[in-house]
Amino acid sequence: DTGVSQNPRHKITKRGQNVTFRCDPISEHNRLYWYRQTLGQGPEFLTYFQNEAQLEKSRLLSDRFSAERPKGSFSTLEIQRTEQGDSAMYLCASGTGSDTQYFGPGTRLTVL
Amino acid sequence: RKEVEQDPGPFNVPEGATVAFNCTYSNSASQSFFWYRQDCRKEPKLLMSVYSSGNEDGRFTAQLNRASQYISLLIRDSKLSDSATYLCVVSSNTGKLIFGQGTTLQVKP
Repeated sequence: DTGVSQNPRHKITKRGQNVTFRCDPISEHNRLYWYRQTLGQGPEFLTYFQNEAQLEKSRLLSDRFSAERPKGSFSTLEIQRTEQGDSAMYLCASGTGSDTQYFGPGTRLTVL
Repeated sequence: RKEVEQDPGPFNVPEGATVAFNCTYSNSASQSFFWYRQDCRKEPKLLMSVYSSGNEDGRFTAQLNRASQYISLLIRDSKLSDSATYLCVVSSNTGKLIFGQGTTLQVKP
């Protein structure tokens, strides 16, 4: 499968714990995006990378959130000291800058 | 006010019906426009891009009115398999996508 992959697919954690999600984009795509989607809403932009450079961050991305793309390939999104309000689907997408973005299956986070 | 506004529905229609969805966007500098389809608990998938000249893909027709900042999607001859949430999406000059809330369509036999 040469699409966007995300791991884990599901994560259940207790409030206050740290979690890390991984996204592997389509290999020739230089842009990688993270979005968050809560029930009944459309996805909301969090941040994006062009190659290894993080070029834009949403105000939704508090200082408990950090994202990296160290070699311009896969990316990680870490949430520190999770809160119940962080429960959502975290979606990764990749593209080449021609606007079309391809989404991974998402990581569903539940914070108890 | 949300940047992209859609009627969440649900739209309940019989098979074979024609159904139209609309959305409005607030940022006149938006660069590109799309409709994505999202099935329950799945990721969004691109349905079609939207152009001012209008574009058609089989039973689906999309239209953009830049002056009114209005985007539409028309589905003809609805199938049961069209049941999903349809997301109206605009992109900024940085490429980030801004999604509407989504419109839920349920096609019934």
